[in-house]
Amino acid sequence: QKEVEQNSGPLSVPEGAIASLNCTYSDRVSQSFFWYRQYSGKSPELIMSIYSNGDKEDGRFTAQLNKASQYVSLLIRDSQPSDSATYLCAVSSFNKFYFGSGTKLNVKP
Amino acid sequence: EADIYQTPRYLVIGTGKKITLECSQTMGHDKMYWYQQDPGMELHLIHYSYGVNSTEKGDLSSESTVSRIRTEHFPLTLESARPSHTSQYLCASSELRGRGSNTGELFFGEGSRLTVL
Repeated sequence: QKEVEQNSGPLSVPEGAIASLNCTYSDRVSQSFFWYRQYSGKSPELIMSIYSNGDKEDGRFTAQLNKASQYVSLLIRDSQPSDSATYLCAVSSFNKFYFGSGTKLNVKP
Repeated sequence: EADIYQTPRYLVIGTGKKITLECSQTMGHDKMYWYQQDPGMELHLIHYSYGVNSTEKGDLSSESTVSRIRTEHFPLTLESARPSHTSQYLCASSELRGRGSNTGELFFGEGSRLTVL
């Protein structure tokens, strides 16, 4: 079983809609959780970090963490075509980071 | 914005050549990492370091080697490049979020895209 699981997509949403990206992880002692955005041919860019249960909002982005269910999600409100990218969920435990395979998001104009 | 730099950004070389990919960060981070990523594929950890004179192999076996003589510098070397080494190599660094084991955010460089002919 992989440490971090994501649906590979592609997830297609119309411009202005809410995009919902999900991630589950297997290690119960995981301590830190991250969402990265990666455009084709570019390196991953950190969007959000979340460390405790609940919601964390930053602009159009909201990360949600539920440690009991070992579940992390990212909501993107008012999706824009420029949000089209692959979104990587990452989980860290002590000094190691584990990445999901990413969900490809397409925002259609 | 993270200050982590990789050179060269693009490199095309012939089989058998020795190459070194440079990675430097100016954030004073103790932890540095090398990931390998093929187009459209997952990130694979190939090397990491927790500080000066500390290096460990990652989850994906790699013929490359690394060194950590200075905190800010974490170069990766291939003694004899082969076409199977063609890939994108991403360097990253992180710091402790606080005392103890909570891990801070991981920041990536722009990557080095290697093509071996």
